[in-house]
Amino acid sequence: AQSVTQPDIHITVSEGASLELRCNYSYGATPYLFWYVQSPGQGLQLLLKYFSGDTLVQGIKGFEAEFKRSQSSFNLRKPSVHWSDAAEYFCAVGAGTYKYIFGTGTRLKVLA
Amino acid sequence: NAGVTQTPKFQVLKTGQSMTLQCAQDMNHEYMSWYRQDPGMGLRLIHYSVGAGITDQGEVPNGYNVSRSTTEDFPLRLLSAAPSQTSVYFCASSYSKSVGAQEQYFGPGTRLTVT
Repeated sequence: AQSVTQPDIHITVSEGASLELRCNYSYGATPYLFWYVQSPGQGLQLLLKYFSGDTLVQGIKGFEAEFKRSQSSFNLRKPSVHWSDAAEYFCAVGAGTYKYIFGTGTRLKVLA
Repeated sequence: NAGVTQTPKFQVLKTGQSMTLQCAQDMNHEYMSWYRQDPGMGLRLIHYSVGAGITDQGEVPNGYNVSRSTTEDFPLRLLSAAPSQTSVYFCASSYSKSVGAQEQYFGPGTRLTVT
């Protein structure tokens, strides 16, 4: 079955520390992969996407993600977290032509 | 461009009442969708549309109706609200109907409480 797993429900990091949010997927074909961010009280905004080619993709706000086919993973990283990065982060896979499958989200808290 | 707009932002309903959540986009997008977001469950697809006059069910369609008479508008109707429909509802759109390979643009959400 197609699925997306984000194993960490909550993550807390100090401002300036590095960040890695985990995402694992189960999908039969070559996946289209996305990371979205949801700030409090807001809709979702695309951070980055992977379709093909270079497995390290750069996104907005200094985020990057690496696609690892052998591990079925698409982890999101940022070298130095800012207080404004506190939000909920969703990984998603394009599941066929008309649908996404979203993970359950990881809520990031940033300590000053 | 206003992007994707949703009204209302907040709504409280009593069990059995009906209402329509409005969604509009001004980007001439083919694809529009409705999700509900519940704690610990991420976003689940309710219904989607790949063009005016064409709609289909998503993962959790029961209790919801949709129609798409124009490219711009995609309202979501609750015919008889139930407490289980308490949730945050997001409308989204995408340029192409092949949304699996496309970015989706999300509205700000409607927080619905059914008592």
